Amino acid sequence: ETGVTQTPRHLVMGMTNKKSLKCEQHLGHNAMYWYKQSAKKPLELMFVYSLEERVENNSVPSRFSPECPNSSHLFLHLHTLQPEDSALYLCASSQGAENTGELFFGEGSRLTVL
Amino acid sequence: AQSVTQLDSQVPVFEEAPVELRCNYSSSVSVYLFWYVQYPNQGLQLLLKYLSGSTLVKGINGFEAEFNKSQTSFHLRKPSVHISDTAEYFCAVSDGQGAQKLVFGQGTRLTINP
Repeated sequence: ETGVTQTPRHLVMGMTNKKSLKCEQHLGHNAMYWYKQSAKKPLELMFVYSLEERVENNSVPSRFSPECPNSSHLFLHLHTLQPEDSALYLCASSQGAENTGELFFGEGSRLTVL
Repeated sequence: AQSVTQLDSQVPVFEEAPVELRCNYSSSVSVYLFWYVQYPNQGLQLLLKYLSGSTLVKGINGFEAEFNKSQTSFHLRKPSVHISDTAEYFCAVSDGQGAQKLVFGQGTRLTINP
C-alpha cells in the first residue's frame, strides 16, 4: 500500500450531484489536509484536521464538507458544485499539524464539474 | 506573513544540461524551506528541505538547493538532467508553526528535451 491513497482518481459530476472524495493514509500520521490545485494558481489549503479535529478552514464554500472519522481517513463531501470547482484535489498527511511543514501527498482526485 | 515567488513558470532544457529553478521568499521570522516535485498525473513528493545547519541541502534524484539568507533565496539545481526529471517543481516556506502554515509558490514546469 502506498502511503496516502485517494479515490476516485477521476470524477465527473453535474452541478446537482452529491459525491464524496476519500483519502486514506497508512503512515501512522495524526494530521490530514485537503488542498485544491487549479491551473495557473498556487496550491490552496482547504481544511486541516489534527487528531480528528478540524483546526483550519480557509474560507471554503459550504458546498465542500470535510469529514475525518479517524486519524487514517479523510473525506470531502461535495454537493451543488460549480464549474469553477473543477480542479485536482490533493489529500496530504503529516506527523502533527505543528510539525516543520513536511507533507506526504496522495496522487489526487481530478474533479470535473459539468 | 510569508510569501514565495518562483521566478520562472516554465524552464525548457536539453537532456544532460544543468538546470537552476529559482525561488525567493519573504518572511519576518526564521523559516523552513522545501522543494516538492509533482510528476505528471501524480501528487507532490518532497524533494529536499532546509530546516537548519548547512545551507547546501542535497535531495533525491541528484537535486540540491542552497539557502541564501541575505538574498532570501532557495534555488534548486541539478548538474545534469534526465528526461525523467520532467515535472512541476514547487518551492514552499513554513514559519515553523506547522504544515498548515506552509505557503507554496506557483510552480515551475521543467521540460527536458532530448
